Amino acid sequence: GAGVSQSPRYKVAKRGQDVALRCDPISGHVSLFWYQQALGQGPEFLTYFQNEAQLDKSGLPSDRFFAERPEGSVSTLKIQRTQQEDSAVYLCASSPPDHEKLFFGSGTQLSVL
Amino acid sequence: QKEVEQNSGPLSVPEGAIASLNCTYSDRGSQSFFWYRQYSGKSPELIMSIYSNGDKEDGRFTAQLNKASQYVSLLIRDSQPSDSATYLCAVNWWYSGGGADGLTFGKGTHLIIQP
Repeated sequence: GAGVSQSPRYKVAKRGQDVALRCDPISGHVSLFWYQQALGQGPEFLTYFQNEAQLDKSGLPSDRFFAERPEGSVSTLKIQRTQQEDSAVYLCASSPPDHEKLFFGSGTQLSVL
Repeated sequence: QKEVEQNSGPLSVPEGAIASLNCTYSDRGSQSFFWYRQYSGKSPELIMSIYSNGDKEDGRFTAQLNKASQYVSLLIRDSQPSDSATYLCAVNWWYSGGGADGLTFGKGTHLIIQP
């Protein structure tokens, strides 16, 4: 596609529910990043893929967070047993191999009640 | 520890004036620098990149980099109400082996251009 596509755009979850957020990067971009952005804050790094390999997951806040990119294209960020502090916008970005310019999707706004 | 610091603002500037946005970062070494603009409820969009010391101009935008002072700034000339947004400074640190590990963002500066 022409840009990074994320779905759903909005997600409301009850505390304790599992959620899955999808990212479809720009075609041909080998690098894919997930960021978490709380209200009034800058994006915080969560994890990074190069093709299907997850090279860095140091930003994942707990073992309830899991990301995958099995075929090196679409990625899914899964959050198990959601908590209120997980409420944020989850941004996906892709880039060419040099990582010099990130192209962001519109984000998924997650609200945990 | 890689950190990027920005004044959160809000920074209020009259229409037509120059808006000056500042950013400092920790950790010397090889880096590249970016300014992203984020409108409320929207995703960040890249507006400027700068890699070497000095100034880089693109239309009404000028990025300035001083690696010795670990300081990068963005100037917006002839500010317009449409420039009202949050401006995110981002730094990409390069591994000594030549790879980059993605961007570290500041918290952003909220800019308001007053008509």
